[in-house]
Amino acid sequence: DTAVSQTPKYLVTQMGNDKSIKCEQNLGHDTMYWYKQDSKKFLKIMFSYNNKELIINETVPNRFSPKSPDKAHLNLHINSLELGDSAVYFCASSQDLTGGRYGYTFGSGTRLTVV
Amino acid sequence: KNQVEQSPQSLIILEGKNCTLQCNYTVSPFSNLRWYKQDTGRGPVSLTIMTFSENTKSNGRYTATLDADTKQSSLHITASQLSDSASYICVSLGPGAGGYNKLIFGAGTRLAVHP
Repeated sequence: DTAVSQTPKYLVTQMGNDKSIKCEQNLGHDTMYWYKQDSKKFLKIMFSYNNKELIINETVPNRFSPKSPDKAHLNLHINSLELGDSAVYFCASSQDLTGGRYGYTFGSGTRLTVV
Repeated sequence: KNQVEQSPQSLIILEGKNCTLQCNYTVSPFSNLRWYKQDTGRGPVSLTIMTFSENTKSNGRYTATLDADTKQSSLHITASQLSDSASYICVSLGPGAGGYNKLIFGAGTRLAVHP
């Protein structure tokens, strides 16, 4: 009965590889997000999707391509991985673009390590 | 520049004691302010959400205050428990790309509760 689930939890890969992280929410929310948490622990928005449509792209490199097949899923594909991509990536969802009455629900994170 | 600053960076207290975490924000226009708890290896979990018209909100042993004039917020934890050991993140909803709002995160206060 996990609300926002993302897989895998850990991902170790070599530079130059392509990898994907999957996210699913069963809350019936309209809006989904990808956040990156760097070594300094700041969480920063990467993308937001509302009803499968891209709303926000916060100057993320083109190597990152989100895909939303339906409003319950938002996957993140990363091409040509670089060392600087190492971070924890969090998926989140909210009732709507305002965050709704109950705010945002986050997944448990995917720790990506590029070697 | 829209940002959220928190203090202290880290804090150690004994079980049963109270503590107060501080947050200053320079976000304009201001919409609401949230406090999240992030356990190690997990995603952030919402504790409180306050709009500019609210100056205090409680969630069990957690009480958040907001002073919209001085742009300060605090999170008070009463009768701390070992399970309160986590990072506490202050977050403001502020302007993002394309005219949409986005969450602006502080770096968090790392709280350790010792027996």
